[in-house]
Amino acid sequence: DTAVSQTPKYLVTQMGNDKSIKCEQNLGHDTMYWYKQDSKKFLKIMFSYNNKELIINETVPNRFSPKSPDKAHLNLHINSLELGDSAVYFCASSQAPLGETQYFGPGTRLLVL
Amino acid sequence: LAKTTQPISMDSYEGQEVNITCSHNNIATNDYITWYQQFPSQGPRFIIQGYKTKVTNEVASLFIPADRKSSTLSLPRVSLSDTAVYYCLVGDMANTGRRALTFGSGTRLQVQP
Repeated sequence: DTAVSQTPKYLVTQMGNDKSIKCEQNLGHDTMYWYKQDSKKFLKIMFSYNNKELIINETVPNRFSPKSPDKAHLNLHINSLELGDSAVYFCASSQAPLGETQYFGPGTRLLVL
Repeated sequence: LAKTTQPISMDSYEGQEVNITCSHNNIATNDYITWYQQFPSQGPRFIIQGYKTKVTNEVASLFIPADRKSSTLSLPRVSLSDTAVYYCLVGDMANTGRRALTFGSGTRLQVQP
């Protein structure tokens, strides 16, 4: 059973396109996160939702828009993709917000050409 | 936000004990210290978490001195399968506020036979 799943696993697209990444967790957790990992392996939090409410919104371009239709899902939509958006995007979840043990998904590898 | 510093890489041999130290000089009173392990093409996985002194589980031990400005992850008798990147994370356990979580740069551990 997959605890945190992401789709797609790989995403190759052209600059200027709009794309979405989906995340689902079946752990019954209240909090979900999006992280970005660049080529140097730095892992940086982008957004966090708790019970469908945005609780963390780091300094991220407004081309990135998260959406949580329910507690089990957190999607990430990216408008007007740029070369610098190429990275691995990880979704994670935890029972409670901020600091609790997080469970990560397998990642979505985005390559913008 | 508490910033963390870790060695970029470490090498070891099978059967040895490995100690990875993380510096977090600006750690706040409410911050906990969490370590994650990441294998290639996978999301990070929780290893251990602590607030002060020593914590031990079936995987590792975590040593935290009284001033809490650093912490040391200890892996007893490593094997080849422990080759991974290890992240130190310092964050706030509070349920309120928008305190973000900061991952360290990660330490790449290479275990040789």
